[in-house]
Order: sequence, then C-alpha cells, then structure tokens
Amino acid sequence: KAGVTQTPRYLIKTRGQQVTLSCSPISGHRSVSWYQQTPGQGLQFLFEYFSETQRNKGNFPGRFSGRQFSNSRSEMNVSTLELGDSALYLCASSFYPVGNEQFFGPGTRLTVL
Amino acid sequence: GESVGLHLPTLSVQEGDNSIINCAYSNSASDYFIWYKQESGKGPQFIIDIRSNMDKRQGQRVTVLLNKTVKHLSLQIAATQPGDSAVYFCAENIEGYSTLTFGKGTMLLVSP
Repeated sequence: KAGVTQTPRYLIKTRGQQVTLSCSPISGHRSVSWYQQTPGQGLQFLFEYFSETQRNKGNFPGRFSGRQFSNSRSEMNVSTLELGDSALYLCASSFYPVGNEQFFGPGTRLTVL
Repeated sequence: GESVGLHLPTLSVQEGDNSIINCAYSNSASDYFIWYKQESGKGPQFIIDIRSNMDKRQGQRVTVLLNKTVKHLSLQIAATQPGDSAVYFCAENIEGYSTLTFGKGTMLLVSP
C-alpha cells in the first residue's frame, strides 16, 4: 500500500507570493491533518479535514487555508508569504479522525526569501 | 539531511544499551498518546501509542509507560541500534478533538 505522498518536496518562494501544497493520503484514509515544523516552534497543528469538512484549525493566521476533495486528497494554501513561513509542512492521514494512528508524509520544505 | 530542530535535548547511548526517552505532557485531559520517530529528511514515523486507560504498552523492542498522576510519558527502547538514531516526539490528544499536540522532541544518538 502506498504511503502518504506530498508534492512538491521542495519549494522556494519570495515574500508576498502564495503557495499551494498537495497531499495524497493513504488509500482508504479519510482524515488528513496538516502540521508546520520549524526548529523554533517544533511541530504545530494547522488543520484537520475529514470527509471534506474542516474539523479543527490551529492557531495560525487566516493566510493559511486548506481544503479536502471528495477523493480525500488535500491541499493547503498560504497567501502573502512571510519569511517566517519557511518551514517543513507535513501532512498526515488516518482512517478515522485524530485519536487513531496517523501516518505522515515526507513533507514539503518551503523556503521564503 | 534536514535538521528537524536545534538545541534539542540529546540522549547519547552505545549500541546494545537500553534507551529511555521522557516526555512531560501538558494537558491532564489528554487521553491518547503517541510516540513518533523522525529521521533526517523524513516525516515522523509512528512507533507506538497508548490510551489513558493503560499505564504500559509493549511493542517490538519498545515499551511506553504512562503516568497520569504526574503527566509523564516515557519510551523505552531495548537493545538500541544505530538505526534508532533519530529525533523522537511524544504527542497527546483529547478524544473527540482533532488536534495532536507534539512535544519538542529528543534526539537519540546511538554509537556503534
């Protein structure tokens, strides 16, 4: 069974631009969560989607948004990029919502210049 | 590889030793706990989980202990191998809530 895939793996953007990251969960998984990982703040929860509905959102500004499609694939978008948005963005999937084993993808490394 | 964190607590052990990684969690209402392993350049990998109605759970070479009284979680790795070198994170969750809260992580270095 294929694991969680994330595209692209690496991305370089400049301040003010926007970016869209994609996550394909493990086949059959309906829950997708997104996390931001930085050396200073560690792993922080961004949002979770289950069956195309956002169930919860972390403490991030409105520039961070996401969505989930009917095939459970998910995208997150960051608008008006800031230097501090440079991070590893991780996607995790599980069959049920959080509270069950989650499987992480390799992440997308975003660098904002 | 990519660094997952600077200034992380580090545990250095010799190959074959038993390792114990500790974690203090923050929310007394948390009832589901997970340990993850993250190698350089990779996403976190699930190791073992435990629910709050248990105080010990064993897997292959790993044991998780939960002390709810002091909000403490530990991961024991038996016969540590060089391939166990990674950053280890504990995470907590409250049933019904979709937020997984991660600890800061501990770097485990295993010398051959």
